[in-house]
Amino acid sequence: GAVVSQHPSRVICKSGTSVKIECRSLDFQATTMFWYRQFPKQSLMLMATSNEGSKATYEQGVEKDKFLINHASLTLSTLTVTSAHPEDSSFYICSAGGLSYGYTFGSGTRLTVV
Amino acid sequence: AQSVTQLDSHVSVSEGTPVLLRCNYSSSYSPSLFWYVQHPNKGLQLLLKYTSAATLVKGINGFEAEFKKSETSFHLTKPSAHMSDAAEYFCVVSTPAAGNKLTFGGGTRVLVKP
Repeated sequence: GAVVSQHPSRVICKSGTSVKIECRSLDFQATTMFWYRQFPKQSLMLMATSNEGSKATYEQGVEKDKFLINHASLTLSTLTVTSAHPEDSSFYICSAGGLSYGYTFGSGTRLTVV
Repeated sequence: AQSVTQLDSHVSVSEGTPVLLRCNYSSSYSPSLFWYVQHPNKGLQLLLKYTSAATLVKGINGFEAEFKKSETSFHLTKPSAHMSDAAEYFCVVSTPAAGNKLTFGGGTRVLVKP
């Protein structure tokens, strides 16, 4: 079946630094990937839709300059949290796929900003 | 617009007894509906999906769900709970009108008592 690999699974960074999270589709090509954020004991909220070869589409209220998304190939999308602050601490999850074949999710990245 | 309401934030069952997780959706168009399971600090695993075929959908690990258009519901059931079923469950809706984006319900945490 389709596999999405997300790395790293956990990261701790200092306030003011940037962190990059990678999302790879291992056995299929993904022209579109999705980035979600999940606060503790809450549901997933879509942050942005990553489009291969073009700009990402951000959901309302998501700062595009803070959450940089790059989708340079059909198998890789990256999310960079720039100038991270403690309030950016969260669980970030990517997914790829579509209605026909289903959406596959990565295993998530726990970001802690100290 | 599309939305999903999971009627119970927590469900507690005894091992070997039935599980019922309730989900109601709102959508202007014929929806695609999914149930995902999330174990702590993990990504999401697809249990089953409805995409306008049979209204009774069978999924993995003994779960099934029934799409009832008249009730705008997509409840998830399992005849006999296992300890490994303890997790967070999300009901998800998607429609072409929403660009096939996924909208998540608030989640239901399942506790299985021995």
